[in-house]
Amino acid sequence: DIVMTQSPDSLAVSLGERATINCKSSQSLLYSSNNKNYLAWYQQKPGQPPKVLFYWASTRESGVPDRFSGGGSGTDFTLTISSLQAEDVAVYYCLQYYRSPFSFGQGTKLEIK
Amino acid sequence: QVQLVQSGAEVKRPGSSVKVSCQASEDTFNINAFSWVRQAPGQGLEWMGQIIPRFAKTNYAQKFQGRVTITTDGSEKDTTTAFMEINSLRSEDTAVYYCAIETADGLIESWGQGTLVTVSS
Repeated sequence: DIVMTQSPDSLAVSLGERATINCKSSQSLLYSSNNKNYLAWYQQKPGQPPKVLFYWASTRESGVPDRFSGGGSGTDFTLTISSLQAEDVAVYYCLQYYRSPFSFGQGTKLEIK
Repeated sequence: QVQLVQSGAEVKRPGSSVKVSCQASEDTFNINAFSWVRQAPGQGLEWMGQIIPRFAKTNYAQKFQGRVTITTDGSEKDTTTAFMEINSLRSEDTAVYYCAIETADGLIESWGQGTLVTVSS
């Protein structure tokens, strides 16, 4: 099974500053036949289901602000918020959907410093 | 995106079973797959398993194999209901259980509102 590991577990960033979350997979998520990484990022706020931010590692879901960006390939991925806003406080998860069983990272809690 | 409506909260005794439903306003043949994900209080997301309704094909995380059963019912026109049943409940199964729909590529895209299952004696 593919194991997903996020870092850090929690992160406190000042408003307007950059926040970066890392996600590492135990196996490559890059499918050679279509050159796509089967990696998604989700944002979850208290009492709500997760909301997809990115798929294919870097394709932004409709409606997601462009201060969010996703990158990486193979086994190493990042989610970056270029200028943190108060509404970005949440827990962020990566998900591999390359192979079943799918698996999430353990989550990164993002707070305001 | 397809709307998913889950059944209400449940309180169960240890050793019993619970069956959670998830209704999608979509014909079975238009749904690629349902995934079930759970979240224990204050914890992260845990993928449990999936079903491809057209083929009734299931995949489970190793941890849930043999104790969890995922099924679907597409007998009602323009509606597909997914079910997730857990047997031999224990206190560690206390969690919010989410159903979700996958795209053709496996991306978990649309989520239900979640169902809280509390296991307590």
